[in-house]
Amino acid sequence: DVKVTQSSRYLVKRTGEKVFLECVQDMDHENMFWYRQDPGLGLRLIYFSYDVKMKEKGDIPEGYSVSREKKERFSLILESASTNQTSMYLCASSPQGWDRGLGTQYFGPGTRLLVL
Amino acid sequence: SQQGEEDPQALSIQEGENATMNCSYKTSINNLQWYRQNSGRGLVHLILIRSNEREKHSGRLRVTLDTSKKSSSLLITASRAADTASYFCATAAIKAAGNKLTFGGGTRVLVKP
Repeated sequence: DVKVTQSSRYLVKRTGEKVFLECVQDMDHENMFWYRQDPGLGLRLIYFSYDVKMKEKGDIPEGYSVSREKKERFSLILESASTNQTSMYLCASSPQGWDRGLGTQYFGPGTRLLVL
Repeated sequence: SQQGEEDPQALSIQEGENATMNCSYKTSINNLQWYRQNSGRGLVHLILIRSNEREKHSGRLRVTLDTSKKSSSLLITASRAADTASYFCATAAIKAAGNKLTFGGGTRVLVKP
């Protein structure tokens, strides 16, 4: 079974703090994604990566950065957390294929971040 | 606005009944996927239907796709209390900026025992 793990289930941070959210997958997937989920808005893509050291902006990258130094690990960084970044953050991965980025995604359990 | 819009936003049914939810989208797609999310958890992939397919089954799930109407439906037959969850459709499209899934806002389904 594919397993995607996220470093924390719940996180409370103060405004202005630097926040790291870690995601690790154990299925040698090339593609990894970070989403945020807010009530009524569905999932919105923040950043994604098709390969090590590669990153692409999603729909809402402002205020975030990412790091992919190893294939299995994709980190989301909030450089200076703000209250409007309070949300559920979901990491996902998918295997490479002809339909790069279009196939089934495997999700982690999510991290609920509260910024005070 | 979102690519995928689910309807209804919420649905309450008795155990044993069927649940139907719909998804509409705006632009051309490569495929459409349905995911389930139990309360406060990650999403689990249910089914993928390609743009050249019209219907697909998986256990008690039946998905249809009408590309002329840009819509899809998910039917859960003989629902169980364990089907209580939020259901999301996601459209997969080829984009110059990178292929990606776009999720709708979800349908919350409550199955009462």
